[in-house]
Amino acid sequence: SAVISQKPSRDICQRGTSLTIQCQVDSQVTMMFWYRQQPGQSLTLIATANQGSEATYESGFVIDKFPISRPNLTFSTLTVSNMSPEDSSIYLCSVLIWWQGAYEQYFGPGTRLTVT
Amino acid sequence: QKEVEQNSGPLSVPEGAIASLNCTYSDRGSQSFFWYRQYSGKSPELIMFIYSNGDKEDGRFTAQLNKASQYVSLLIRDSQPSDSATYLCAVNEKTGGSYIPTFGRGTSLIVHP
Repeated sequence: SAVISQKPSRDICQRGTSLTIQCQVDSQVTMMFWYRQQPGQSLTLIATANQGSEATYESGFVIDKFPISRPNLTFSTLTVSNMSPEDSSIYLCSVLIWWQGAYEQYFGPGTRLTVT
Repeated sequence: QKEVEQNSGPLSVPEGAIASLNCTYSDRGSQSFFWYRQYSGKSPELIMFIYSNGDKEDGRFTAQLNKASQYVSLLIRDSQPSDSATYLCAVNEKTGGSYIPTFGRGTSLIVHP
């Protein structure tokens, strides 16, 4: 398994500002993702954070709005830029761990963002 | 487009009963299948995974996989009020050499005393 921490755990931000969320894993992992979960909804994949190269974004998400860094195999950041109330959500960091012939996925505790 | 479908529920069962949660997926190339439990306000927690056709049991939980029917289910025996949560089905599908997980919307389970 993997132990994942995120900072901050929650924040209330004003419209137009930016917030950077940090994700720290207790072991080196190749595959790291960022998800968003809006109230009452399931998980939406924002992007795959690639170590040493630009993140791979899913449809509907762009680098200018959600820049991602992945400086090494244990750490990543997601920035939510120029925030609006529609960005209010829980943001989750996730990793895939190869174990006994398949990948298992683990999630961080999440960052609850409220934009006013 | 790859899809993972779940009935959103809520599924309501009495304490002690068997809760049956179902999930279908669209991509026949899917490799591995996961069930997550998510309590309100918390992040998803992995509870079961299954890779091969058939049943896999872990305590009160049984995962069932039928790749021919593209169907995976989770049975919870002797349901407890503490099992009340949203259960997410996830499917790992190989895409361009990477495994990109796809999640269903989740099924809300309510176990009432």
